[in-house]
Amino acid sequence: AQRVTQPEKLLSVFKGAPVELKCNYSYSGSPELFWYVQYSRQRLQLLLRHISRESIKGFTADLNKGETSFHLKKPFAQEEDSAMYYCALKVPGTYKYIFGTGTRLKVLA
Amino acid sequence: SAVISQKPSRDICQRGTSLTIQCQVDSQVTMMFWYRQQPGQSLTLIATANQGSEATYESGFVIDKFPISRPNLTFSTLTVSNMSPEDSSIYLCSLNRDTNQETQYFGPGTRLLVL
Repeated sequence: AQRVTQPEKLLSVFKGAPVELKCNYSYSGSPELFWYVQYSRQRLQLLLRHISRESIKGFTADLNKGETSFHLKKPFAQEEDSAMYYCALKVPGTYKYIFGTGTRLKVLA
Repeated sequence: SAVISQKPSRDICQRGTSLTIQCQVDSQVTMMFWYRQQPGQSLTLIATANQGSEATYESGFVIDKFPISRPNLTFSTLTVSNMSPEDSSIYLCSLNRDTNQETQYFGPGTRLLVL
């Protein structure tokens, strides 16, 4: 079955500390993976996608097919990173997205 | 990016009634999507709404419960029919805008509470 798992509902870190938001997926083929973010009082928006191999706001995510993971990382957390983060898998060849349940990141001063 | 608006932003409804949620986009798009996010749950795709054809529903969702209209390329509605407290959720419309149609752009959501 196609599934995205984010094991942590809440992750609290201190400002300047490294952050890793975990995401594991279950998919038999080659998935397309994304991280979406929702800041307080804002709508859900794309943060990054694995195809682009980009770093956005200091965040990176590497697709590990062996471990079926797509963890989101940032070496030094900032207070403005506090938000809800969703990992999502797009089924190739379709418009269907499967979202994880989300992790709330709190960056403490 | 895309400008997507939804009405209402929130509502409190009585059991057994129906609510129609509107989604307006700033430019023409072929495909629009409706998601539901129940409390503590992930976003779940309800259906895909193409202009000029019937909506395509995902497993577990039926047209009688969630009728969708798509009268033109900038507008869609989702109706939550015969509501029960289990329908209390955030309902979001979204669309793809990129040339490769990867990225989903989301509306602000409609927060529904059914008593």
